[in-house]
Amino acid sequence: KAGVTQTPRYLIKTRGQQVTLSCSPISGHRSVSWYQQTPGQGLQFLFEYFSETQRNKGNFPGRFSGRQFSNSRSEMNVSTLELGDSALYLCASSMTGYGYTFGSGTRLTVV
Amino acid sequence: AQSVTQLDSQVPVFEEAPVELRCNYSSSVSVYLFWYVQYPNQGLQLLLKYLSGSTLVESINGFEAEFNKSQTSFHLRKPSVHISDTAEYFCAVRSFQGAQKLVFGQGTRLTINP
Repeated sequence: KAGVTQTPRYLIKTRGQQVTLSCSPISGHRSVSWYQQTPGQGLQFLFEYFSETQRNKGNFPGRFSGRQFSNSRSEMNVSTLELGDSALYLCASSMTGYGYTFGSGTRLTVV
Repeated sequence: AQSVTQLDSQVPVFEEAPVELRCNYSSSVSVYLFWYVQYPNQGLQLLLKYLSGSTLVESINGFEAEFNKSQTSFHLRKPSVHISDTAEYFCAVRSFQGAQKLVFGQGTRLTINP
């Protein structure tokens, strides 16, 4: 079966702009989580959605937001981009919460 | 809250040698434990996980990890590594209850030399 699909794979944006990243989970998985990976901070949890509701949120500013649609696809949005937002953004889907399948990520570069 | 410490940021070994990647965690509640592997320019792939039962868990490609509750450790081992095992390895925990999120260690870069 198809894995977790993240689009786009690469993005270059300018400071102050906003960006939207997309994640399509494995069919049947209702939980979608987002993580930010940077060389300095490592892998950090952003938020988790289940059945269109945000269940958990990490310690990130309000510029980071997300949503989940009725088909479980999820988007995350970052507004007013800063240089420090440059990172690999990973999406993970889960059916049970005991196993998480990650996508290949979206690499965002802010210039 | 949980935290994960991977004691080695880099581990170089020769091909066919054994390797151990160390992981210790801290948590006030019971946790599930995971090892993920990340190859260059890719996402994370689940290597193995401990949910309950036997404390020794194995992956299909020869890795194994043992959950030691008293030492709060979950070290990853392989008796003989291959060049293709070169990657970054992440240990992670998730609490039994509460927020369903993974807390990751900083990663260990495993480099296999011929």
